[in-house]
This record gives sequence, structure tokens and C-alpha cells, in this order.
Amino acid sequence: QSVLTQPPSVSAAPGQKVTISCSGSTSNIGMHYISWYQQLPGTAPKLLIYENNERPSGIPGRFSGSKSGTSATLVITGLQTGDEADYYCATWDSSLSDGEFVFGTGTTVTVL
Amino acid sequence: QVTLRESGPALVKPTQTLTLTCTLSGFSLSTSGMCVSWVRQAPGKALEWLARIDWDDDKYYSPSLKSRLTVSKDTSKNQVVLTMTNVDPVDTATYYCARIQPYDFARGYMDVWGKGTTVTVSS
Repeated sequence: QSVLTQPPSVSAAPGQKVTISCSGSTSNIGMHYISWYQQLPGTAPKLLIYENNERPSGIPGRFSGSKSGTSATLVITGLQTGDEADYYCATWDSSLSDGEFVFGTGTTVTVL
Repeated sequence: QVTLRESGPALVKPTQTLTLTCTLSGFSLSTSGMCVSWVRQAPGKALEWLARIDWDDDKYYSPSLKSRLTVSKDTSKNQVVLTMTNVDPVDTATYYCARIQPYDFARGYMDVWGKGTTVTVSS
């Protein structure tokens, strides 16, 4: 059971905007940077956002991330059919002595 | 070009030990600051972090699986090996390895992933 909570699904029409939330606590999002991953159907996850709001080379500016307190948000603007995928937030959690890397529960984006 | 490739058995029997190998290319775990993690995904489920090994041989495990997991590295072969003991059908999943950048826990993220290897646990 993940310590990072995301909505199970979000949807919007092509060209519109979707927002995916990621809710955590002071021991994870509150202390560490967030990364976001896109997983297209049948493929491996791909880094989308790192250090809360940085995009790797090749990731379009339509994808943006932010963090505030113990929550983070991924925004996709100008939605395209190719954006249909599962999206996961992730960060380190320091609640236990050794710590652990944790992923969110995942959000499926559907383009209507 | 940085790549990671997972390999291992497609089918294992319950109670057996599963051994998975991640072969690295384009970088080496003997290089300071390099780290690799294992992540799995059961069918229809979310990603689950399993373990991490650093260039200096520091190791970290998922608390819920720590007693069953061992991660190691063979720098001469540029490989990372994950073993999981006493497997159960609930361990059926696709297993991924991924490079972590940077090594700092507060900032670390998985920038390059392997394609994954699917393991089924069944008698």
C-alpha cells in the first residue's frame, strides 16, 4: 500500500489540460524532491519530471510539475492521444531508519 | 548511450529462489556516484520499489521484502544481480532495473530504465 496517493484516473478532450495530484507526508514529499514517470501501455516507465519541476531532454514543455508542502502536481496541457498512459509520482521516504523509495498509486490518463 | 537490460527465468516454482540480472551499458557501477535500483510491477498494479545498490556497495531494501531480497554487483561484468528467496505467486510481475541519478536520496530519480523481464511464479 503506497504512501503516495494519486487519483485513479483523469480524462479530458484533446487539446485540454489534465492535472494529476500526488499527496504524501512530511517524511516523503515534504522532505525530498519528486519525480514523475509516464508508462505507456505495455512499455517500461519513462522519466517525465525530476527534482519537482525539471524536464529531461526530449520531454515537451506541455508537461510540468510542481510541489507545495506535502503534495505535488503534474500538469499536462495540450493533451494528445499519445499521452494516454499511466503516470506515477515518486520520491524517497525517510519515515523508517533505512528509508525507502516510494511510488504513487498511479493515475491513468484517458483522452476522450 | 546508457542502457540497462534485465534477464532471468520466465517461470519459477513457489518456494524457489529467483535470480535476476541487470546488465549495464554506457556506464559503470564502479564509477563514483552511480546507483541502480530494482522495481517490479504486478499485472495491473502500481510500480513497487524493491532495492538499490550504490557504487560504494551500499545497499537499501524495501522494508516489506528486506528479509527475502539480496542485491549485489559484479563490476567486472558490469552487472547487478537481485535474488529473491521463497517466491510466491504474488511475486508474479515484470521486474525492471533502472539507473538512479543523482545518488543523493533527497533528489534521486530513475533516469534510464530497462525494458523489464516478466516472471511468473507457478507450480
